[in-house]
Amino acid sequence: QVQLVESGGGVVQPGRSQRLSCAASGFSFSNHAMHWVRQAPGKGLEWVAVLSYHGSSEAYADSVKGRFTISRDNSKNTLYLQMNSLRPEDTAVYFCVRGNGANYGTHLDYWGQGTLVTVSS
Amino acid sequence: QSALTQPHSVSGSPGQSVAISCTGTSSDVGGYNYVSWYQHHPGKAPKVVIYDVSQRPSGVPDRFSGSKSGNAASLTISGLQAEDEADYYCFSWAGRSWVFGGGTKLTVL
Repeated sequence: QVQLVESGGGVVQPGRSQRLSCAASGFSFSNHAMHWVRQAPGKGLEWVAVLSYHGSSEAYADSVKGRFTISRDNSKNTLYLQMNSLRPEDTAVYFCVRGNGANYGTHLDYWGQGTLVTVSS
Repeated sequence: QSALTQPHSVSGSPGQSVAISCTGTSSDVGGYNYVSWYQHHPGKAPKVVIYDVSQRPSGVPDRFSGSKSGNAASLTISGLQAEDEADYYCFSWAGRSWVFGGGTKLTVL
């Protein structure tokens, strides 16, 4: 079965960096676009970024553009999110999510359980 | 990239029907048939219940249906059951990025 397991969350100081990882299994990782979605405490879901199956097309939410970078290693079935210049408002549970298609797909079909990132001094 | 507009909350009694609206613009909801809906029970992973405006994934009861008219999409849940109580989010392609709605809390009375 499809499994997405996030790691790398924790407490980080404002202005610092953190890298999240997502280990994928149970499907052909290299055939699917992958997304990151986050949910701040008490708030709704916010789409963060998407990367196409081969890694050549990407898109970001305006709130993270220029600070976050999404990448993937298809040989390791792993998705990453490099987060730089972190702000308190980046505090959230970050979900790794599979897109239903190879490029961006049309919807999100499998979700991980999420990893909590807390930005605080 | 403004969030799509959803009502903050809706409610209904078991067996009744409820509809949740999702209003966007011609640049997102109105411009593409890539609207999907997600059910989220707090503490669990969200689950897609409708994709491509009106398609239902296998395993999702046919009590869930979706539609779109102009810049607004809608999720209807008929024959409400206690387990339908959750947060619901719409999601749409916006040309160069994706955007969620603000979320709607469904309470089953």
